[in-house]
Amino acid sequence: ETVLTQSPGALSLSPGERATLSCRASQSVRSNYLAWYQQKPGLAPRLLIYGASSRATGIPDRFSGTGSGTDFTLTISRLEPEDFAVYYCQQYGSSPLTFGGGTKVEIK
Amino acid sequence: QVQVQQWGAGLLKPSETLSLTCAVYGGSFSGYYWSWIRQPPGKGLEWIGEINHSGSTNYNPSLKSRVTISVDTSKRQFFLIMSPVTAADSAVYYCARYPVTDTSPPLWGQGTLVTVSS
Repeated sequence: ETVLTQSPGALSLSPGERATLSCRASQSVRSNYLAWYQQKPGLAPRLLIYGASSRATGIPDRFSGTGSGTDFTLTISRLEPEDFAVYYCQQYGSSPLTFGGGTKVEIK
Repeated sequence: QVQVQQWGAGLLKPSETLSLTCAVYGGSFSGYYWSWIRQPPGKGLEWIGEINHSGSTNYNPSLKSRVTISVDTSKRQFFLIMSPVTAADSAVYYCARYPVTDTSPPLWGQGTLVTVSS
């Protein structure tokens, strides 16, 4: 099983600042099948990034995904008020599919 | 445009059977793995298992003894059965599509809240 470790667990930032979220896999993710999701309270997760670096339809370009193999990063270049949420990474390259524990981005 | 829609009973008693259906509208049914995922209230996301168009399945080892995922390709539907359920199975359940080899994005259903309570 591929274990995904997200860091930090929480991030306190101000609007306009840059957010850098990390997702580390215990083994290489096949085909870089790594996705990032944003979740707000009471709502379903929203796909942001898939294939490690491809933005999903309708996602603003302030969100970017980088990385390959075992180390992946989600960067939000300038935080907007609506970006404060929980972010999850997921690998879908091998079974069992696994999720990271999440990073909460909160307003400072 | 591909869509996945899901439905099923939302209120169960302990020891009963959870049954959910996910229908796929548009696009290809083959070439993907079709998953079930859940999220208990206030907790993280947990993958339950998956199936492909030919019926090959993979399960989360922690749930395998209680879960069956099946497919009806003629109806373009796949199904989740979990039995018996306990209060710990209360969660929002999602169906989702994942590529096997291509670069298409994951695609999720809208979610179904399942509550297990006596």
